[in-house]
Amino acid sequence: GAGVSQSPSNKVTEKGKDVELRCDPISGHTALYWYRQSLGQGLEFLIYFQGNSAPDKSGLPSDRFSAERTGESVSTLTIQRTQQEDSAVYLCASSLVTGNEQYFGPGTRLTVT
Amino acid sequence: QKEVEQDPGPLSVPEGAIVSLNCTYSNSAFQYFMWYRQYSRKGPELLMYTYSSGNKEDGRFTAQVDKSSKYISLFIRDSQPSDSATYLCALTRGSGGSNYKLTFGKGTLLTVNP
Repeated sequence: GAGVSQSPSNKVTEKGKDVELRCDPISGHTALYWYRQSLGQGLEFLIYFQGNSAPDKSGLPSDRFSAERTGESVSTLTIQRTQQEDSAVYLCASSLVTGNEQYFGPGTRLTVT
Repeated sequence: QKEVEQDPGPLSVPEGAIVSLNCTYSNSAFQYFMWYRQYSRKGPELLMYTYSSGNKEDGRFTAQVDKSSKYISLFIRDSQPSDSATYLCALTRGSGGSNYKLTFGKGTLLTVNP
């Protein structure tokens, strides 16, 4: 079946602009996670959704970062006033609510110039 | 001290070799242990996950967990050039809600030479 999809695959933006990154999880997966992968920090947790609620936002690095999920499906990660340090690969994963098996999308490579 | 330590390598082996990849962790709250494979410019792909101490085998891959030593390993037998990738260990606390969030090692870059 279809896996996790993310769009765009690549995004180049100027410092100070806002960006939106989209994730479509596997159908029926109620848990959705965003992670960020950068050269220096490796893969780090950003935010977790159970259904449309986000009980854990502890990994969001600043208040410029926000995310929402609608219809227990698609999620959007928004970064406002982008900075160069936001350059990274943003990965989305989904899993069944009780599962540890998280399945990742291909990621969005964000470059802030 | 990082919660999860993983030697970044790089590790280069000849085709057919046995590969050993390892992680150590500091927090005994971690209960679930996973290995992901990540090809260049792709998302991580789940290879193995296990809960208890001991070995779990799947084809050429064996995951080993020693909770008393807080040490996990992934062995690859008869390694192939197609195994060339970055291997990431990932751990979770595992019981409910956001305890499923993954804490990753930095990843080990493996190259298998034909």
